Amino acid sequence: GAGVSQTPSNKVTEKGKYVELRCDPISGHTALYWYRQSLGQGPEFLIYFQGTGAADDSGLPNDRFFAVRPEGSVSTLKIQRTERGDSAVYLCASSPEENSPLHFGNGTRLTVT
Amino acid sequence: SQQGEEDPQALSIQEGENATMNCSYKTSINNLQWYRQNSGRGLVHLILIRSNEREKHSGRLRVTLDTSKKSSSLLITASRAADTASYFCATDRGSTLGRLYFGRGTQLTVWP
Repeated sequence: GAGVSQTPSNKVTEKGKYVELRCDPISGHTALYWYRQSLGQGPEFLIYFQGTGAADDSGLPNDRFFAVRPEGSVSTLKIQRTERGDSAVYLCASSPEENSPLHFGNGTRLTVT
Repeated sequence: SQQGEEDPQALSIQEGENATMNCSYKTSINNLQWYRQNSGRGLVHLILIRSNEREKHSGRLRVTLDTSKKSSSLLITASRAADTASYFCATDRGSTLGRLYFGRGTQLTVWP
């Protein structure tokens, strides 16, 4: 595709439920990143994939958060037992290699009620 | 945790004026990047400046970097209403792994 695609664009869920957020990176981009952005803040790093493996998952806030990229392309961010504090915009970005500028998707706005 | 601090938090100017935004950071870096974000959208990369560069231009954008002061500035000349957006600086904190640390951003409003 022309850019990074994230689905859904909006997700409303109840506290305690499980959610999955999907990211389709730009074709050929080996590096994939997940960030979280709260209102009025800059993006906060969650996890980085190089190919299929998570090269750096130190930004995941706790073990309720997990992400996969099984074939080195599409990635899914999974959040278990959602809490109201998880409400934010979840941004995905990809780049052709490490230390290249990031190409961001438009994000998934997650609201936990 | 946030790395950069943009200054000012908000800037309001008229079309045609220049807009200057500043960014300070705390650690050594390999490069510093500026991104722009329109409301409800993802971030768009504007410019990357390496730690051994002092100034870089791209169209109406001019970025400076002072590693001794750990600061950078983004100048937008002859601003347009379409430049209205949030602007973020991001650094790598000296890592080569690609992770970026963003500041809280400057909200720029350009009035027609």
